[in-house]
Amino acid sequence: GAVVSQHPSRVICKSGTSVKIECRSLDFQATTMFWYRQFPKQSLMLMATSNEGSKATYEQGVEKDKFLINHASLTLSTLTVTSAHPEDSSFYICSAWDRGGEKLFFGSGTQLSVL
Amino acid sequence: AQKITQTQPGMFVQEKEAVTLDCTYDTSDPSYGLFWYKQPSSGEMIFLIYQGSYDQQNATEGRYSLNFQKARKSANLVISASQLGDSAMYFCAMREGLVSYGKLTFGQGTILTVHP
Repeated sequence: GAVVSQHPSRVICKSGTSVKIECRSLDFQATTMFWYRQFPKQSLMLMATSNEGSKATYEQGVEKDKFLINHASLTLSTLTVTSAHPEDSSFYICSAWDRGGEKLFFGSGTQLSVL
Repeated sequence: AQKITQTQPGMFVQEKEAVTLDCTYDTSDPSYGLFWYKQPSSGEMIFLIYQGSYDQQNATEGRYSLNFQKARKSANLVISASQLGDSAMYFCAMREGLVSYGKLTFGQGTILTVHP
């Protein structure tokens, strides 16, 4: 079946640094990928829709300059948290639809901790 | 307005018993899809079951079934013969419209604990 790979699974960084998270579709092409954020024991909140070859669509309240999304190829989307601060600490998870559009597959997620 | 509502923050069930996790939704679009995902403590999101708004029959996948009541706008997940490994957080989600590759909106989630 379709697989979405996400790296790194865990990252600890100092405040003020930038962190890049990669999301790859391994055996299918994904023109659209989604980035979610999740706090402990809470729901997944959509941050943005990543579109191959064009600008990402950000949800209301998400700072596009803070969370840079690049979807340079049909199999790779990246999320860069720029100048990270402790309040950016969270679980970030990407996703992409399978070919039939019936299953949304998720990456394994990235736990970001900003010190 | 909340589009997907899960009113049970936590549920407990005895091993081998059945359990129902509630989900109600709100949309004016006649075309939509409803999904259930399981999230164990590891954080991965595991797809369980899908129901389309035009599907006449309730979806089933092994021990999972979706009790789809369109008039009530509810899409409850039924897990039969619960196992200890079913302990996890469960999310109901909805995709609106005819676009097959649209975004999912998630409910608040329900933490299910299966007791031996």
